Amino acid sequence: DAGVTQSPTHLIKTRGQHVTLRCSPISGHKSVSWYQQVLGQGPQFIFQYYEKEERGRGNFPDRFSARQFPNYSSELNVNALLLGDSALYLCASGGAPEAFFGQGTRLTVV
Amino acid sequence: QKEVEQDPGPLSVPEGAIVSLNCTYSNSAFQYFMWYRQYSRKGPELLMYTYSSGNKEDGRFTAQVDKSSKYISLFIRDSQPSDSATYLCAMGDTGFQKLVFGTGTRLLVSP
Repeated sequence: DAGVTQSPTHLIKTRGQHVTLRCSPISGHKSVSWYQQVLGQGPQFIFQYYEKEERGRGNFPDRFSARQFPNYSSELNVNALLLGDSALYLCASGGAPEAFFGQGTRLTVV
Repeated sequence: QKEVEQDPGPLSVPEGAIVSLNCTYSNSAFQYFMWYRQYSRKGPELLMYTYSSGNKEDGRFTAQVDKSSKYISLFIRDSQPSDSATYLCAMGDTGFQKLVFGTGTRLLVSP
């Protein structure tokens, strides 16, 4: 039984570029959430999607956007990358209290 | 003030010790309380959760919630070197499914 899969696992981008991160939730889960984890900090909520609709948004600028597809997979897009966007981006499948995380995408902005 | 406070550690203990990890919170709307374990450069792994107040036990792990004090704990009995990781507490309310995390406590269990 596949868990939460995220791609890519690592990537390096230059300031000002755009990035797209992808997530496939656990089979049967209709909710996907995105979190940003900066080194030494706990994950910070970015978005939640349920049944392809945005259910919530954290305190992130409009450069961050996301969507969910009919198969419940999801994309997180970040425009005009800043050095401060360097972090581990986590996707969570399912809602509280049983939210399961993927391995994350480590984004480095140089 | 952060909604969830957690001592970052590191907490160093010898193998076999009982470990106590704690978080405090300020939002009385929180109803779900979770503990995640995160190994270096990996995603968080759900250990256990409780709903509202009370205790929950799962093997060597016990989670406690005291809503009157806004204080939650995770106890690890007979700690093992493989328990060395960062432990994150997380909380959520019944409406919105967003999780609010603590900063994580780094635990080191020495053989």
